[in-house]
Amino acid sequence: AQSVTQPDIHITVSEGASLELRCNYSYGATPYLFWYVQSPGQGLQLLLKYFSGDTLVQGIKGFEAEFKRSQSSFNLRKPSVHWSDAAEYFCAVGTNRDDKIIFGKGTRLHILP
Amino acid sequence: DTEVTQTPKHLVMGMTNKKSLKCEQHMGHRAMYWYKQKAKKPPELMFVYSYEKLSINESVPSRFSPECPNSSLLNLHLHALQPEDSALYLCASSQIGGFGYTFGSGTRLTVV
Repeated sequence: AQSVTQPDIHITVSEGASLELRCNYSYGATPYLFWYVQSPGQGLQLLLKYFSGDTLVQGIKGFEAEFKRSQSSFNLRKPSVHWSDAAEYFCAVGTNRDDKIIFGKGTRLHILP
Repeated sequence: DTEVTQTPKHLVMGMTNKKSLKCEQHMGHRAMYWYKQKAKKPPELMFVYSYEKLSINESVPSRFSPECPNSSLLNLHLHALQPEDSALYLCASSQIGGFGYTFGSGTRLTVV
């Protein structure tokens, strides 16, 4: 079965600084990988996804992520964060065997003015 | 239409009540999902419907009863819930194959 780990529960960065959120997955074949963002009391919004092909994926809101098979990682990056980026970020993994995706425990992003 | 609409947004119910949550999408997605999310936790999968048939039930108690009357609608019928069932209930839909879900904004359920 697939699994996903987000090692950082909280991350604090200053507005305008760069950001990297870590995600590691476990799955025997090529997984489907996703990053979602959730603001308080809201549903989840898909930032980007990886299925195959180019390992650097561009998403919405200026986010990108890189799939590294050798490290079983799919880290999320943004060159310059804005105060509105403060939210909970979830990495998720799925497979081509069923319609189920599994979420990591999430990383809460705090932005300092 | 690229949205998943969930109603109601908030629901307070007693432990003896029967209520239903509703989810609707018009994106032509043939897979629909119910997730439960407790505060400060990730969403946990409850049910998956594929082509209007229940394909995954993650050992959810029978007091939660899903229904998919057609390809656009998904309901979650609630009966005799417990206070620990209070949570944000999220509906999602996707193309078959799980190619990234579209989530609704959720129903905030409080059981008193």
